[in-house]
Amino acid sequence: EVQLVESGGGLVQPGRSLKLSCLASGFTFSNYGMNWIRQAPGKGLEWVASISSSSSYIYYADTVKGRFTISRDNAKNTLYLQMTSLRSEDTALYYCASRTTDYWGQGVMVTVSS
Amino acid sequence: DIVMTQAPLSVSVTPGESASISCRSSKSLLHSNGITYVYWYLQKPGKSPQLLIYRMSNLASGVPDRFSGSGSETDFTLKISRVEAEDVGIYYCGQLLENPLTFGSGTKLEIK
Repeated sequence: EVQLVESGGGLVQPGRSLKLSCLASGFTFSNYGMNWIRQAPGKGLEWVASISSSSSYIYYADTVKGRFTISRDNAKNTLYLQMTSLRSEDTALYYCASRTTDYWGQGVMVTVSS
Repeated sequence: DIVMTQAPLSVSVTPGESASISCRSSKSLLHSNGITYVYWYLQKPGKSPQLLIYRMSNLASGVPDRFSGSGSETDFTLKISRVEAEDVGIYYCGQLLENPLTFGSGTKLEIK
């Protein structure tokens, strides 16, 4: 069974940092590009970043470029999102998903508030 | 960025009847390889989005064949035949042709 399990979310003050993780199982993680996609409360889906299977290609949404860093460790079957200089508008449920969106995690909530 | 425009905002359907949701892209989603990179998702209440249709008309694994996708280069339709109570939720279209990936604003399906 394919599983993507996100962790690392929580309540953080504006300007601070947070690192999300996504542990993959049930498929060959190292063969798949991956995405982070977020959903603000009551809102639609917003793509955040993507990374190719070997980390050769990395892309970011303009809204997070320069503040967020996507990375992966194929030996640990884990995807990461390092978030810095967090803003209130970054408050959302963050999903990791495969590059072609076949697989989604359950999401992890990030709340940016003082 | 490619803008994805969905209609209607919401739809109410009697069980057993059909429903159609439209999605329009601001740019052709037809790649030179002949594949049209439009995808459809269902987000059931309190759940993660799940893939229904990939590359415009291909049924994702485990998805009932009551769901079907069709369209052209910029206009797309998701059809749900014989709607069931379990089909309630928000339907999104999305494009995976190019970055940034973008999604429609969603269509809420309710049961009458």
